[in-house]
This record gives sequence, C-alpha cells and structure tokens, in this order.
Amino acid sequence: GQNIDQPTEMTATEGAIVQINCTYQTSGFNGLFWYQQHAGEAPTFLSYNVLDGLEEKGRFSSFLSRSKGYSYLLLKELQMKDSASYLCAVRDRTNAGKSTFGDGTTLTVKP
Amino acid sequence: DAGVTQSPTHLIKTRGQQVTLRCSPISGHKSVSWYQQVLGQGPQFIFQYYEKEERGRGNFPDRFSARQFPNYSSELNVNALLLGDSALYLCASSFVRDTEAFFGQGTRLTVV
Repeated sequence: GQNIDQPTEMTATEGAIVQINCTYQTSGFNGLFWYQQHAGEAPTFLSYNVLDGLEEKGRFSSFLSRSKGYSYLLLKELQMKDSASYLCAVRDRTNAGKSTFGDGTTLTVKP
Repeated sequence: DAGVTQSPTHLIKTRGQQVTLRCSPISGHKSVSWYQQVLGQGPQFIFQYYEKEERGRGNFPDRFSARQFPNYSSELNVNALLLGDSALYLCASSFVRDTEAFFGQGTRLTVV
C-alpha cells in the first residue's frame, strides 16, 4: 500500500518563498506528482518527478529523494492567486495508473 | 484543444438510485482514470482504463463500475447510491498509462 503525509495548512506572505513537504511510503514507486487545486475546482498538474533531484518550472520547483521517500514543492515570488490546496500524489508501479493522493496542503497567501 | 470534459457538472440523486457519469478525454489521450474526492480530502483512485480495458482498480465496492468506449470516452456507474457516495467525481486523462494526468472539472454528486 501507500501512505502520503503533508502538512494540513500553511500561511505565507505575498512575494515570499514557501516550501511544502511531502513524505511517502510505497510498495512500488513509479513517480511523484504535484497538483494545485483551487476551492471548488479540479486539480491542475504542476510537476512530475521520477528521478532524484530538482525540477524547475518558472516560479515552481519540485524536489524528489526516493531513498528518503521525500519530496517538496517550492513556490517563489508568491502571489495572492497561489492561495490553494497543493496535492502530492505517488504513482504505484504495482497497480499501473493508480495514483495515491495526500489530503493536500492548504496554502494561504496574505498581503 | 478542449481539455477533459465531464458531464453533468452537478447531480442530485436519492438513496438507492443509480447514476452514470461521463468523461471525454483530451484528444489523443488513451487512458482515463476516475477518482472520488470528498471535501477536505485528496482524490481517491477508483478505476483506470487504457485501450478500453480496466488496468487498475481502487478499494471501492462492486456498486462502482466503469467502461471505456472505442473513442476513449468513459462512463462511471454507481448503483444503489448511499449518502456516503456524495462527493466530487473526477476524471483524468493521459496519453498513455504512465504519463501525467489532466483532470476534468468534475461532477458534483449529492445523494439525499
């Protein structure tokens, strides 16, 4: 099975940097995803890591350490519109296509 | 290009009834996955279909079933609805099984 942990809530200031951590335990790792979900909307894809290291995409970066079962999403130059839930999801190699999601981290950006 | 489309967007059903939810994937995508999301929680995996065959199943009762059509669209059926089935049902499509998935806007199902 798989277990994913991420903080429930975080607060940061506009223009700042925030790091959202995700730890996971899995019987068969086949990639880690980060999604952004605004209230009442569908999740939107942010990043995908399958190898160790940092993936950078504009203001968003995602890091993966498979040996530690750890990932983080880094958001730079925070904007008010970044207030949302951030979901960490791990794909299961043994049940192809199945992604197990964490319960999300609700980020509130304050002026 | 149109994204993943789901219908209907909202639905109210009575306990014991049956419901069918529909999903059209992004053009060219062959894989469709279904998720249930209860308020305050992350999406829970229900099914994945690829090339019209079931390729993965989550821990949901047999009341939940799905299928994929030759045009890669998909339907999710839920029989004998329970109050606890009230949730946002999300469909996600991907080009093949192991690539990133893109979600539709979801169907909000309320069982009363």
